[in-house]
Amino acid sequence: SQTIHQWPATLVQPVGSPLSLECTVEGTSNPNLYWYRQAAGRGLQLLFYSVGIGQISSEVPQNLSASRPQDRQFILSSKKLLLSDSGFYLCAWSSTDRDTIYFGEGSWLTVV
Amino acid sequence: GENVEQHPSTLSVQEGDSAVIKCTYSDSASNYFPWYKQELGKGPQLIIDIRSNVGEKKDQRIAVTLNKTAKHFSLHITETQPEDSAVYFCAASKGGSYIPTFGRGTSLIVHP
Repeated sequence: SQTIHQWPATLVQPVGSPLSLECTVEGTSNPNLYWYRQAAGRGLQLLFYSVGIGQISSEVPQNLSASRPQDRQFILSSKKLLLSDSGFYLCAWSSTDRDTIYFGEGSWLTVV
Repeated sequence: GENVEQHPSTLSVQEGDSAVIKCTYSDSASNYFPWYKQELGKGPQLIIDIRSNVGEKKDQRIAVTLNKTAKHFSLHITETQPEDSAVYFCAASKGGSYIPTFGRGTSLIVHP
């Protein structure tokens, strides 16, 4: 069966510091990969998605970036965090032949 | 693009009552409608889904109905229990698109 791992689970970072959140998927190949964010409230905001290695699409321009160095690895980064980057970040995956998206457990980021 | 409206934003019920959450969508080409449950501090988990060739689907206490003509679908939870308390998201997507459009979520509170 497929599993998704996301880490770290919790992160407290000062303003201006860098960020790296990692996500890996097991049990499938060539998945579609996603990064979502939940800020205050409940909405799911799509940040980035990827349909293959090195193929990244950005949905919202901001100081975050994403990379996919390996087929099942997706990384969310920032060079300098802002207070507004605080939130709950979710990695997700779907297979190329099905519609369903599956989420990881999320990473809580607090920028202080 | 697709637009998904979800109501209500908050739903409070007594244990044992039924709960209904409704979503409407705008793109008549959408053909896949999943529902997710998100417990506090966790990632959303798929609980049930329905495709446009089906009008209703049940899984124990949970059911989803779809009205393609009116472009709305609903989640029904019967005999609610305190552990049903969570935020519920609906979503809509269409074949060939690997990016669903999510509703803004409904916070369900089940009072013991």
